[in-house]
Order: sequence, then C-alpha cells, then structure tokens
Amino acid sequence: IAGITQAPTSQILAAGRRMTLRCTQDMRHNAMYWYRQDLGLGLRLIHYSNTAGTTGKGEVPDGYSVSRANTDDFPLTLASAVPSQTSVYFCASSETSGSSNEQFFGPGTRLTVL
Amino acid sequence: GQNIDQPTEMTATEGAIVQINCTYQTSGFNGLFWYQQHAGEAPTFLSYNVLDGLEEKGRFSSFLSRSKGYSYLLLKELQMKDSASYLCAVIGNDYKLSFGAGTTVTVRA
Repeated sequence: IAGITQAPTSQILAAGRRMTLRCTQDMRHNAMYWYRQDLGLGLRLIHYSNTAGTTGKGEVPDGYSVSRANTDDFPLTLASAVPSQTSVYFCASSETSGSSNEQFFGPGTRLTVL
Repeated sequence: GQNIDQPTEMTATEGAIVQINCTYQTSGFNGLFWYQQHAGEAPTFLSYNVLDGLEEKGRFSSFLSRSKGYSYLLLKELQMKDSASYLCAVIGNDYKLSFGAGTTVTVRA
C-alpha cells in the first residue's frame, strides 16, 4: 500500500449500532487526524493524534472515540451511531503536527446512518 | 473560535483566470493552506503560505496578507480538469487545521 487507506469505502448502518472506521498509513507519519465533511460545512476535525500513544479532541468529538496503538493505524469508533453522524469521513496524516506540514488525506468513507 | 469565509461557487471559461478569495478570523495564525478536492475524492495539497506575499507554483498562485486576514488562490489558463472544490484552511494557535466550506469552481468550454 502507498499513502493512506481507509475501510470500508461506504457503509449503511442502523442507528444504535457500533461501527469502527479503519485508517492505515505507510508513510511513518507521526500525526494523524479524523475529519467529517458535510455539505456547506466543510471539513471538521473530530479527533487527532500527534504521535503514537496520544490522542486529542477536535472540534466535533462527541459520539466518537479513537485509539493510536501504533504509528500506522488510527481507527475511529462510533459507539452507538445516530443519523446525524451520516457524513463522509476522511482520515489524514502529516509528518509531524507542526504548522508547515501538509496533511495527506485518505480516500474517505461514506457513512449513512438510518 | 475560527471563522473562515470563501465564496460558495464560481464559474469561468476554459483558458481564463479565476481568483478565489478567503478571509479568516482565527485564534492566532500559523499558516494557511489551499487544497483541491475533486468530486468524490480526497483533498490534495496545493499551497502553503505563512509569510505575506505571493507564492507561485505553475498555473496556480496563492497570496497572503496577514494584516488583512486575507488570502487568494489564483488559477491561470483554466483547464476542464480544474473543475473542483478549493478549500482554504488556516492553522491557529492550536496547530490544527480549520477549513472553510470550500469554493466549487466550474470550468466551461
């Protein structure tokens, strides 16, 4: 693999179900991020990790959790999905969390919660 | 809080020039990024500005004025493949990206 991969590509989920979105990068980047993208609102940061073993809350963290057990993987979990979590989810990574580091984005996961 | 404004849509003709403006009011400033996003795809990096002035990269240029809280992305010699959304994003004091809603550019033949 090269860059960032996300799985699944798309998912339809019943409300109340638990769901984990997977994200893996092979660039040995220290920092990783999860965003959601909604029409008219742009990308909003859900959670981030500056380095393996640490995580932090972004702008819209409620209803989501993350873990960063190693450098490559950064899964996002919806413990009990609600319809307002219908969105396109993008994982991203950057070499470090410094200001000049561009972020590389995965292809996204389109999630529909019914 | 972060407030980043850019126009929702712009239309231009193939071969023309289009300027996408972005104004921001943020808690601190540590740089401004422009990303391109084609429909159904991931955003990809275009430019980064942290000092005032113009950064040129081929057909694309980006300008920053920190005192005015203003940036623009200039697309020259427009091609059909430039039809996409262009995202302005600012890094504030928390060193996290805050994105504008994006500007959808449609290039017509």
